[in-house]
Amino acid sequence: EDKVVQSPLSLVVHEGDTVTLNCSYEVTNFRSLLWYKQEKKAPTFLFMLTSSGIEKKSGRLSSILDKKELSSILNITATQTGDSAIYLCAGGEHNNDMRFGAGTRLTVKP
Amino acid sequence: DGGITQSPKYLFRKEGQNVTLSCEQNLNHDAMYWYRQDPGQGLRLIYYSQIVNDFQKGDIAEGYSVSREKKESFPLTVTSAQKNPTAFYLCASSIGDPDNQPQHFGDGTRLSIL
Repeated sequence: EDKVVQSPLSLVVHEGDTVTLNCSYEVTNFRSLLWYKQEKKAPTFLFMLTSSGIEKKSGRLSSILDKKELSSILNITATQTGDSAIYLCAGGEHNNDMRFGAGTRLTVKP
Repeated sequence: DGGITQSPKYLFRKEGQNVTLSCEQNLNHDAMYWYRQDPGQGLRLIYYSQIVNDFQKGDIAEGYSVSREKKESFPLTVTSAQKNPTAFYLCASSIGDPDNQPQHFGDGTRLSIL
């Protein structure tokens, strides 16, 4: 059965800390892995990764895919309270067969 | 602004009642999706539609129904056959497959049983 597992399930840090969120996947047909941020309601897109070893960056956030290890990490440096959210990852071939992980709840304290 | 609008934000269902959740998008996206989000679980796909007048069951379609009469609209009906409807429901859209494009999500509808 296809599945995506995220760890840790929750994380509490202080502003300025660096965090690493993990996502491992076992999907039958894999094309891409996506990261989303869910603050209160609507998840918003962060990154889409299709190639192994190529880092994607957006400001303080970065992510990389390791197809050999069937995993991805999301790094956030110099965390801010606005980074507090649930971070979701999803893997699959098409949008209609994407498997979502349960998410990592990140809390950044002032 | 382009986006996806879900309504209502909160909905209560009585025993034996069907309820309909609205989802409208003005992004001109071909594909639309309905997900259910439960605490401690990932998003699970209920139904999806790649084109008007066509839709397919996802992983947990039992107890739900949809229609896609217009490109902009993809309403979800939670029928009385769905015995555990309490959840957060998210609608999403994307440029259609096969190009695997990121999905845009609405703000969700929280459904509870009275």
